[in-house]
Amino acid sequence: DTEVTQTPKHLVMGMTNKKSLKCEQHMGHRAMYWYKQKAKKPPELMFVYSYEKLSINESVPSRFSPECPNSSLLNLHLHALQPEDSALYLCASSQTMTSLYEQFFGPGTRLTVL
Amino acid sequence: RKEVEQDPGPFNVPEGATVAFNCTYSNSASQSFFWYRQDCRKEPKLLMSVYSSGNEDGRFTAQLNRASQYISLLIRDSKLSDSATYLCVVNEGHGSSNTGKLIFGQGTTLQVKP
Repeated sequence: DTEVTQTPKHLVMGMTNKKSLKCEQHMGHRAMYWYKQKAKKPPELMFVYSYEKLSINESVPSRFSPECPNSSLLNLHLHALQPEDSALYLCASSQTMTSLYEQFFGPGTRLTVL
Repeated sequence: RKEVEQDPGPFNVPEGATVAFNCTYSNSASQSFFWYRQDCRKEPKLLMSVYSSGNEDGRFTAQLNRASQYISLLIRDSKLSDSATYLCVVNEGHGSSNTGKLIFGQGTTLQVKP
């Protein structure tokens, strides 16, 4: 099973709302990632969790708050977002952060901020 | 110089054609190399990992030239379903290990026409 699942598939929120994106994998992977992808651009790394600890934060604004409750779950809490934050948010996982193995991506959450 | 460079295309080819994509990377410490395929409004999906000895999977052949820091993907007998964006992806190397960060090329768009 090489599946990463994400919910919701679509999300529309106002600038004052608080919402959360969820990601789950059952491959026993110990590294999980959040990416942001704008149209016609490659994915941009936001955060990396390794063994449930935040390992990389790519200078992401504090209105994005990641959380890793356990080795299978990854959340991204959203608060006071801006319209320019509208994008496809992708979760990925890999065996470990420094492994030579590939990352597997979930289907993404398409976020629209009004 | 971009860390991973690809010709964005688009490459418009007839069904049955052979098409080749090239990619160069700047970090000589990189150790893992991949081609991902991304369909419109979908997540990136791993197409192939790329090894120094070259590897083949059906109609797809990937080659790596470490000396020239060059990666290629050859698609033979193109199908309509091959139409997608192909992302050249390199794992950021640091010393003898990876950092966990994937560096994406901008993607090459392939359109296979009947």
